[in-house]
Amino acid sequence: KAGVTQTPRYLIKTRGQQVTLSCSPISGHRSVSWYQQTPGQGLQFLFEYFSETQRNKGNFPGRFSGRQFSNSRSEMNVSTLELGDSALYLCASSTGQPSYNEQFFGPGTRLTVL
Amino acid sequence: DQQVKQNSPSLSVQEGRISILNCDYTNSMFDYFLWYKKYPAEGPTFLISISSIKDKNEDGRFTVFLNKSAKHLSLHIVPSQPGDSAVYFCAASVYDKVIFGPGTSLSVIP
Repeated sequence: KAGVTQTPRYLIKTRGQQVTLSCSPISGHRSVSWYQQTPGQGLQFLFEYFSETQRNKGNFPGRFSGRQFSNSRSEMNVSTLELGDSALYLCASSTGQPSYNEQFFGPGTRLTVL
Repeated sequence: DQQVKQNSPSLSVQEGRISILNCDYTNSMFDYFLWYKKYPAEGPTFLISISSIKDKNEDGRFTVFLNKSAKHLSLHIVPSQPGDSAVYFCAASVYDKVIFGPGTSLSVIP
């Protein structure tokens, strides 16, 4: 079974630009979650999509948005990039069943904002 | 307000000894707890989990203990190996929400 894939793996952008990251979950998984990882901050939850609907949302500004397609693939968009957005962005997929939520992570997209 | 805390950012242990990683949580509604391991340049991978109806779960060298009254769980690795050097994240789940702790970086010294 293929794992979670994320594209691109590395990205360099400048302040003010926007970026779109992509995530393909494990086949059959309907839930996709996005996390931001920065040194010392651990995994900060951005949002979760389940069956094309945003089911949960973290405490990030509206510049961060996402969507999920009918094949469960998900995209995350960050507009008006700031230097502080430089981070590793991780996508995780799961079956989405309540109370048991083992997630399978992709390798991440390393975003650098200059 | 962090609902899942890992108060030790880093831990160093000699090879062969026991590694104990700790995690505290504040929400008594959490009913499932998980540990993930992360190597540099890779995504986290699931390690071991425990349901709130249990107080211990073992898988090979890894054991997770849950103390619900103290809202505390710990991961024991015995014996520790150099390949265990990684960042360990504790996570707590209730219904469809999963909250991760900030992680503890474990270094196992040969």
